Amino acid sequence: KNQVEQSPQSLIILEGKNCTLQCNYTVSPFSNLRWYKQDTGRGPVSLTIMTFSENTKSNGRYTATLDADTKQSSLHITASQLSDSASYICVVSARFPGGYNKLIFGAGTRLAVHP
Amino acid sequence: ETGVTQTPRHLVMGMTNKKSLKCEQHLGHNAMYWYKQSAKKPLELMFVYSLEERVENNSVPSRFSPECPNSSHLFLHLHTLQPEDSALYLCASSQEEGRGSYTGELFFGEGSRLTVL
Repeated sequence: KNQVEQSPQSLIILEGKNCTLQCNYTVSPFSNLRWYKQDTGRGPVSLTIMTFSENTKSNGRYTATLDADTKQSSLHITASQLSDSASYICVVSARFPGGYNKLIFGAGTRLAVHP
Repeated sequence: ETGVTQTPRHLVMGMTNKKSLKCEQHLGHNAMYWYKQSAKKPLELMFVYSLEERVENNSVPSRFSPECPNSSHLFLHLHTLQPEDSALYLCASSQEEGRGSYTGELFFGEGSRLTVL
């Protein structure tokens, strides 16, 4: 069964600290993986995309990693800011027979950054 | 501003009402989506219109009906909803390479928060 599991479900950290969010997937075959940030009351916004051949990609203080062998991805946030408080959603695109892709969503990790 | 506009932002309706959600994208994308977001659950795809093809999640009740008059506009018509339909309804668009591609970045609207009494 194609699934995307995210951990932890929620996380509280102090401003300035680092944190790492995890995404494990059983999706196969894999097309790409995206991390989205969703602020409260807003729609999700893409942070980064990982393809099969990429191991690490950075976007400012956000660094995503991908291990296609173990089917794991992580999102590392450095020097957290209050504005990082949001839900972070992992989305995997899977290729099905016939060339069709399907997006599989994780339930998200809710991050709260406290002063 | 993501280029995807949803109206209304908030909607309260009774179980016997008929209402519609509207979505407009200004990005020139060729695919538009309706997603349902309930608390602590993954986003649930309801409907996709991509390159003149409509794909729907078979588990979506018939009390939800989509309409896509052109590539920039998408509606979700609601009638005789149930309280469990209360959720955040997100519209999104993307630029896809071909039918069934679904690899492009999704651009979401702010969502329509629906409450069914």
